[in-house]
Amino acid sequence: SYVVTQPPSVSVAPGQTAKITCGGDYIGSKFVHWYQQKPGRAPAVVLYGDTDRPSGIPERFSGSNSADTATLIIRRVEAGDEADYYCQVWDVTGNQLVFGTGTKLTVL
Amino acid sequence: QVKLEESGGGVVQSGKALRVSCKGSGFPFHTHGTHWVRQTPGKGLEWVAVIWYDGSNKYVADSVKGRFTISRDNSKNTVFLLMTNLRVEDTAVYYCATDRFKLTSGGQFLPNYLENWGQGTLVTVTS
Repeated sequence: SYVVTQPPSVSVAPGQTAKITCGGDYIGSKFVHWYQQKPGRAPAVVLYGDTDRPSGIPERFSGSNSADTATLIIRRVEAGDEADYYCQVWDVTGNQLVFGTGTKLTVL
Repeated sequence: QVKLEESGGGVVQSGKALRVSCKGSGFPFHTHGTHWVRQTPGKGLEWVAVIWYDGSNKYVADSVKGRFTISRDNSKNTVFLLMTNLRVEDTAVYYCATDRFKLTSGGQFLPNYLENWGQGTLVTVTS
């Protein structure tokens, strides 16, 4: 089955840029989507189709996807961005939806 | 306003069955695929199953294959997850989420991203 890995944690100071990676074989050939989950809440999509933002998500959130790594980039990080972030793909070969292992973003 | 509401969670003994439901409102339910995703407290997200908007296709995760069945009743705007032969490791919050799917270059509609989520229902399996 397709495996997607993320760093367990990323820490960044307010106002700086956070980069959260999502690694998988040839992930650049798939659409990658990103979710934010705050404690006690359901996840919510913050980026879909590698680079598109749902309405209401600030332009500070962006993404890239190439080769074996997709990246969620959060510029001018704010305290409110502190959360768990998950990437997700659809594995068309196995007909399975796959989540990354999740990354806890800490704002110092 | 889009709303998804899960129900049916609870405490059940291992080996028993339980059916959880997901009722949608505020959007054309019959045009959206629906997924179930679970999360053990303090752990990551695990995809469980998906059903196409018209019920024509459905897939489940390898970890629950043969035990869990997904179905839907569009006349009631509801998707179900029947969980049988439950195990302690199935203990989790179960979320449902909608997906508008994506039309591929090959002309297929395939799962895409989980646009709207419910608040989840807790299933606890005891030994």
